[in-house]
Amino acid sequence: QAGLTQPPSVSKGLRQTATLTCTGNSNNVGQQGAAWLQQHQGHPPKLLLYKNNNRPSGISERLSASRSGNTASLTITGLQPEDEADYYCSTWDSSLSAWVFGGGTKLTVL
Amino acid sequence: EVQLVESGGGLVQPGGSLTLSCAASGFTFTSYWMSWVRQAPGKGLEWVANIRQDGGEKYYVDSVRGRFTISRDNAKNSLYLQMDSLRAEDTAIYYCAKMPDFDYWGQGALVTVSS
Repeated sequence: QAGLTQPPSVSKGLRQTATLTCTGNSNNVGQQGAAWLQQHQGHPPKLLLYKNNNRPSGISERLSASRSGNTASLTITGLQPEDEADYYCSTWDSSLSAWVFGGGTKLTVL
Repeated sequence: EVQLVESGGGLVQPGGSLTLSCAASGFTFTSYWMSWVRQAPGKGLEWVANIRQDGGEKYYVDSVRGRFTISRDNAKNSLYLQMDSLRAEDTAIYYCAKMPDFDYWGQGALVTVSS
């Protein structure tokens, strides 16, 4: 089953802004938007944003999401060392009747 | 506090079977879809299956359909994944996750398929 496309890695400096992308098609991202999850090494994933830009309680306001067509984006401002992690996008694919994940982006904070 | 606790992982030979369990607490289990998601060593996340609140609707990723069965016992607030005909490529950490947006995850159960 086809997944979503994310760049394997992104590197940014401390206090800079990082934008991570997630590209799908009209049956998934274009239709449903995407959720974003963060995973630190050795830990389970954690939901950051859902239904494009809804933030669960306790999630920093430095994180925001947007969508343009079939591409969803996660923007993290004022990068901190603790933002260094793997980031995954996910959404329901209506043609596959399946949830799909992106391959993940490893964010490095320099 | 929402808690999801997986159990049942272990080492199994190719072709063997294993059943994972996920004990849920801290939320109304009967109100939510639930999913299993796996992560092979050093790899990304892969959704495996999900199940509707009443167990009447289930979906699977192509690679496990016909071999894995997701189920739930709402009286016990528990989610299950019966895995048959296991293959080496099924080796992964298996997480249960609360839906609709994977908002809570368990710590995971390691399944290793090897002879």
